[in-house]
Amino acid sequence: GENVEQHPSTLSVQEGDSAVIKCTYSDSASNYFPWYKQELGKRPQLIIDIRSNVGEKKDQRIAVTLNKTAKHFSLHITETQPEDSAVYFCAARWKNTDKLIFGTGTRLQVFP
Amino acid sequence: EPEVTQTPSHQVTQMGQEVILRCVPISNHLYFYWYRQILGQKVEFLVSFYNNEISEKSEIFDDQFSVERPDGSNFTLKIRSTKLEDSAMYFCASSDFGPNTEAFFGQGTRLTVV
Repeated sequence: GENVEQHPSTLSVQEGDSAVIKCTYSDSASNYFPWYKQELGKRPQLIIDIRSNVGEKKDQRIAVTLNKTAKHFSLHITETQPEDSAVYFCAARWKNTDKLIFGTGTRLQVFP
Repeated sequence: EPEVTQTPSHQVTQMGQEVILRCVPISNHLYFYWYRQILGQKVEFLVSFYNNEISEKSEIFDDQFSVERPDGSNFTLKIRSTKLEDSAMYFCASSDFGPNTEAFFGQGTRLTVV
């Protein structure tokens, strides 16, 4: 079925440490994988995305890796800061459709 | 920076009533979406709209739901007879070159059905 699994559900790190969030998807035809950050009561905002023709993409402190064979992709945040605290959602575009299937979210808390 | 805007920010309605949620997508975007998020849960796809017609819909999007682009700027979601379980945050989103490009989300409408 249509499913994107996301782990962990909560993640607490000390400021300056790295955080890694992992997602797996079931549809091998998925070809677009965005990551969204959602602060409390606000809209999801895209922070980085990756397409299936690349294995890694980096933007300053944020990177995403994609393993198509294993059907999983991960978000890496280095040198975490308190303002990184939010819920992070991975998503995968489903087969040849318009829809994004979202993961269940990871609540990241960065302690000063 | 252009934004997707939604109105109202919060709507309270009685069960069985009709509601219309309104969205103004980013002006040069061609693809429009509605998603919903029940409190504390993940974001769920409802429907996508392109070229004045629905291109994809989920099983959640039953006959009680409809979408419309009544003019060149607005994109609406109508729920004909609301149920308690329709209570959620509803997000509108739009993109320019289609599903494989960034979808920009509006700030959401919190619908509370009582």
